[in-house]
Amino acid sequence: QITLKESGPTLVKPTQTLTLTCTFSGFSLSTSGVGVGWIRQPPGEALEWLALIYWDDDKHYNPSLKSRLTITKDTSKNHVVLNMTNMDPVDTATYYCAHLEAQTPPDYWGQGTLVTVSS
Amino acid sequence: SYVLTQPPSVSVAPGQTARITCGGDNIGSKSVHWYQQRPGQAPVLVVYDDSDRPSGIPERFFGSNSGNTATLTISRVEAGDEADYYCQLWDNSGDHFVFGSGTKVTVL
Repeated sequence: QITLKESGPTLVKPTQTLTLTCTFSGFSLSTSGVGVGWIRQPPGEALEWLALIYWDDDKHYNPSLKSRLTITKDTSKNHVVLNMTNMDPVDTATYYCAHLEAQTPPDYWGQGTLVTVSS
Repeated sequence: SYVLTQPPSVSVAPGQTARITCGGDNIGSKSVHWYQQRPGQAPVLVVYDDSDRPSGIPERFFGSNSGNTATLTISRVEAGDEADYYCQLWDNSGDHFVFGSGTKVTVL
């Protein structure tokens, strides 16, 4: 059974760096074709794709946010970490991580974690 | 970046058919996926690769894609189908996933 769970701060100040961790089970990020992605959703707004990392460390970023994002993996700990720099109140959102495999869309999602950016 | 356009809302009576469109430039040449998101919950994949359904998704959910429009059709609509629906695809030019703006389906 595949499960994912996001963790990190619920409140960050403007200009700070956000670090979110996705802890997963039921699959391995050392398996060919497997990936983990991050998606966010501001309150009352649409989903927005952020970043994706594959088993071979291939990484893909939303071009509009690429300069602020870094995605990394720790295969031994079943973790994927997303860093987002220079946080702003407009970055207030629920952040989700999700499992996917090459050439397929995200199929298993975490419950999401709400991050509020405020001084 | 590739843009996907969805109507903000669709209303349908129980037992009727809901059609949710997703517009994009030559979208028919791409693989489109659809998610259902109920309030307070994570999205659930209901259609992938234009018209395939993950296991456990009812046959009432049907996807199609041609020209500049992809469509998610929900037949025999039930109260439990009330949710936001998002289309999604992989943008080869930008090398990343893209989501549509979302459509709120209201069951009257």
